[in-house]
Amino acid sequence: GQSLEQPSEVTAVEGAIVQINCTYQTSGFYGLSWYQQHDGGAPTFLSYNALDGLEETGRFSSFLSRSDSYGYLLLQELQMKDSASYFCAVRDSNYQLIWGAGTKLIIKP
Amino acid sequence: ETGVTQTPRHLVMGMTNKKSLKCEQHLGHNAMYWYKQSAKKPLELMFVYNFKEQTENNSVPSRFSPECPNSSHLFLHLHTLQPEDSALYLCASSQERDLSYEQYFGPGTRLTVT
Repeated sequence: GQSLEQPSEVTAVEGAIVQINCTYQTSGFYGLSWYQQHDGGAPTFLSYNALDGLEETGRFSSFLSRSDSYGYLLLQELQMKDSASYFCAVRDSNYQLIWGAGTKLIIKP
Repeated sequence: ETGVTQTPRHLVMGMTNKKSLKCEQHLGHNAMYWYKQSAKKPLELMFVYNFKEQTENNSVPSRFSPECPNSSHLFLHLHTLQPEDSALYLCASSQERDLSYEQYFGPGTRLTVT
């Protein structure tokens, strides 16, 4: 079957760096996206990787290795407002959009 | 304000009721989506419409019936639901039906089936 695996919960300290991993098993691959969702809020787009390497957008970076079927989201200089759930999503060769179960990021002062 | 609105925000319905969820996007997008979000589970893509035509139906039970009268509006008609259908139902839109295009989500409808 097709699946995306990401940790269910990650805890970090304010000001630190945290990495949220995502491994995928899909029939084909057209790109990996990351979304952020605060409690009670709607998911919002963070990044999209179609090619290998690191994409940086401010404090957030996203990495992809297609040969390893693996990606990660890197958050730097963590702020309390970064406490949220983070979802990875992959579109496979059948154009099916497959989502991970989400990683709850808990930030402590 | 994300440009995608959903009504109602909360809905409680019995298993014999019929109700409809409404989604409207003000972004000029061509693709619209219905998702189901249950606690600690992946987002489940239910339906995709591209230029008002349904392009994906991910084995969703017939008690869920989508309708897309134009590219700005999307409905989800509900009838004879089950308690396990209780979840957050999210609508989203994107410029085109492709992962590389950012999806904009509405705030969701929290549905409780009693």
